Amino acid sequence: GQQVMQIPQYQHVQEGEDFTTYCNSSTTLSNIQWYKQRPGGHPVFLIQLVKSGEVKKQKRLTFQFGEAKKNSSLHITATQTTDVGTYFCAGPRTGTYKYIFGTGTRLKVLA
Amino acid sequence: GAVVSQHPSRVICKSGTSVKIECRSLDFQATTMFWYRQFPKQSLMLMATSNEGSKATYEQGVEKDKFLINHASLTLSTLTVTSAHPEDSSFYICSARAMAGELRETQYFGPGTRLLVL
Repeated sequence: GQQVMQIPQYQHVQEGEDFTTYCNSSTTLSNIQWYKQRPGGHPVFLIQLVKSGEVKKQKRLTFQFGEAKKNSSLHITATQTTDVGTYFCAGPRTGTYKYIFGTGTRLKVLA
Repeated sequence: GAVVSQHPSRVICKSGTSVKIECRSLDFQATTMFWYRQFPKQSLMLMATSNEGSKATYEQGVEKDKFLINHASLTLSTLTVTSAHPEDSSFYICSARAMAGELRETQYFGPGTRLLVL
């Protein structure tokens, strides 16, 4: 079946360092969404990318959708302790609006 | 806008009892709501899709007779875990998809319900 994988599974960084998580889908996606889940919390929508090669920025966060629309990345510049959490990508199952979540990347930021 | 609530936030029950979880979209109408389950340190797994006024569709491997879903209105979906067992202990999260407008393509998640079955 359709799978969405993320690497790395875990990442520990010193505050101020950059962080990147990569998302890879087994199938071409019509769009991709990114979510952040704080420890003990629920997923919060960050952004949606639709176009091939699209790049969007939100302050220190940069999101990219691959040319083949099968992969995506989230890059955080100069991490802060508030960036701690698990970042999930999610893509719709082919032909539906049901989203399949990636395996997630758990980020810890050391002060 | 786009707030989704869930009730209860936590529940502890004895094995064999049934538990009902409510998911409400507070400031928008949702024809479709989704129910996910998340085990510790794992990703969200879609359990079922709840459609207002029709039967829910379940993902492969999810027992429809065990996880009863009702979507009686455009703002309310309920998930009932029947005859709960310890292996049903998990974090259950609903999300709602707006009917139209600029919110349409986005899922809005509820705060989740932590179920512990003793």
